[in-house]
Amino acid sequence: GAVVSQHPSWVICKSGTSVKIECRSLDFQATTMFWYRQFPKQSLMLMATSNEGSKATYEQGVEKDKFLINHASLTLSTLTVTSAHPEDSSFYICSARWGYDGSGDTQYFGPGTRLTVL
Amino acid sequence: QQPVQSPQAVILREGEDAVINCSSSKALYSVHWYRQKHGEAPVFLMILLKGGEQKGHEKISASFNEKKQQSSLYLTASQLSYSGTYFCGTEFAGGYQKVTFGIGTKLQVIP
Repeated sequence: GAVVSQHPSWVICKSGTSVKIECRSLDFQATTMFWYRQFPKQSLMLMATSNEGSKATYEQGVEKDKFLINHASLTLSTLTVTSAHPEDSSFYICSARWGYDGSGDTQYFGPGTRLTVL
Repeated sequence: QQPVQSPQAVILREGEDAVINCSSSKALYSVHWYRQKHGEAPVFLMILLKGGEQKGHEKISASFNEKKQQSSLYLTASQLSYSGTYFCGTEFAGGYQKVTFGIGTKLQVIP
């Protein structure tokens, strides 16, 4: 299957600081990337959909000024958590997907980034 | 419109079979199945498209009943490595590739 990487794997930061998480598709060009957040023992909650070269589409209830998404190329998307607070502590997972080709495709997930805000 | 998964949890002995169900109240374009182990990202298992597909890989297979808007994942002769949380993800026509995930089914296989 396709390979998606995330960096860093984990990060611990102080309250009020900003954290940037990178998501890269290593062996394919991703027309669309997705950012999810997962709290312990819960499902993956979609935060935003990111298309290369255009503004991200945020899900209802997700603050776009707090969670900045940049999709600079077909292989890289970044999520910046600005002025992080303890309630932002979570497992952030990105996924990447290429366009429809009529035969079906799916999302391939990165390994995730565990954010802990002190 | 989060899909509904059942059961929420199941414990199996090695070699036993299990079925995990996923249903939606809205017409589906595709159903995606993933398995997630603790502390790791979800791993893709298979995707089923509108048209009533059935697929399988080794001893894991799935079906998609388009009319009922339901999908089932079948695990046959379960192995210890099958333990994890299984998520179904549903995609709607015109949903801009967005997949909505169910709450998950925690599967534990014991010796």
